[in-house]
Order: sequence, then C-alpha cells, then structure tokens
Amino acid sequence: GDSVTQMEGPVTLSEEAFLTINCTYTATGYPSLFWYVQYPGEGLQLLLKATKADDKGSNKGFEATYRKETTSFHLEKGSVQVSDSAVYFCALRKKNSNYQLIWGAGTKLIIKP
Amino acid sequence: NAGVTQTPKFQVLKTGQSMTLQCAQDMNHEYMSWYRQDPGMGLRLIHYSVGAGITDQGEVPNGYNVSRSTTEDFPLRLLSAAPSQTSVYFCASSASGGSTDTQYFGPGTRLTVL
Repeated sequence: GDSVTQMEGPVTLSEEAFLTINCTYTATGYPSLFWYVQYPGEGLQLLLKATKADDKGSNKGFEATYRKETTSFHLEKGSVQVSDSAVYFCALRKKNSNYQLIWGAGTKLIIKP
Repeated sequence: NAGVTQTPKFQVLKTGQSMTLQCAQDMNHEYMSWYRQDPGMGLRLIHYSVGAGITDQGEVPNGYNVSRSTTEDFPLRLLSAAPSQTSVYFCASSASGGSTDTQYFGPGTRLTVL
C-alpha cells in the first residue's frame, strides 16, 4: 500500500546549520506531496507542498523538490533558527484519493542556540 | 476568523465512559476530518465528512462515531472509552477534497483513558 517514510528523530542542530530531513514515499501514480509543521502545543500547519514531478515547494526559507525518479521529497533549509524547533511531517495525497492523506511518522527537530 | 477550534484541550476518562470531542470551523469548509496522533505513527484518519449530512470511515474508525448536522461542526464521540484510545486527537478542515488542497488543523485534544 501507499506509505511515507521519514528519517527518525530527534534531529539536533546548532543555530545557522544546514538542515535536511529525508522523506521518501511509495505510491502508484503521481501524488501531491506536503510538509506540515507542528510547533509545541499546537496543531499542524502546512509548510509547503508540490503537486507534480520536479515542482519545488518553498516557504519561510524551507524548500523541498518533488523527485519522481527517487520518490523523494526531502525538506531543506540553509540556516536554521531556534524558532524552527518543531515536529515536521511529510505526507502524500493521491489524486482521487477519497480525501485521505498518508502521513509519515514525523521528525522532531531541536535547534540549539 | 478563529479557524478550527477544538474543545476540550485535555480530558481524562475512565474505561467505559463516553464523551464527545467538539470541533468547529468558521471558514465554510465542506471537508472535515478527525485524526489521532500516536508516538512514532504519524496521523491516522478516524472519520471524515465531505459535507453536512455525509460522513465516512477512515483508517481507524472502530470505537468512534461522528455526525455532521451543520457545515461548521463535526463532533467525535467515543462510545465506551478504552486505554487504547489514549491519544492526541486533531480535527482538520479544507475547502474541498482535491489532492492539492490544504488542510487546516485545530490545536488538538489530549485524551487519557485510565
């Protein structure tokens, strides 16, 4: 079945370090791909998305490129801040998917000053 | 514009008790859903609704009921709480069910069943 696999956390980095959180997926067809972020004590909010192969989603300095050949959607940021500390979720939704999102397990990111 | 609101924020139940988790949105979204979040498992869909009067089951519906009498409200009922239902519950809404559509989440309800 369809699935999303994320790198296990927590990921701990120093401020201004480069961030990569890996996400790979298994799905038939061409799903839409999403990154959601959950700050402590809050609900999830959309960070960025890409709807077709080679699309790049970007927001708040984060970016991810939809790579069909490697079935990946890795999240990157050039210089992280303490305020980026959160849990990051990768998800996919297939077209005609009956509304369901398929979620990764989440990756906790800790940024130290 | 409050977005998606959920009540209560925290709840402790004893095994066998019933309760209703409330969810409301003020964005006139047709699609609403309930997820549970468990450590290391991501989010799992419990039930969803594509409009008032229409609901359907998600991945893990057993032990839960929903109804959608208005566009705004989508309550989740636990019929007889079990320790396995200890989790964080999120309600979400979106304008449509399209594959590119953004879901908006409430702040969550942390439920503990003893």
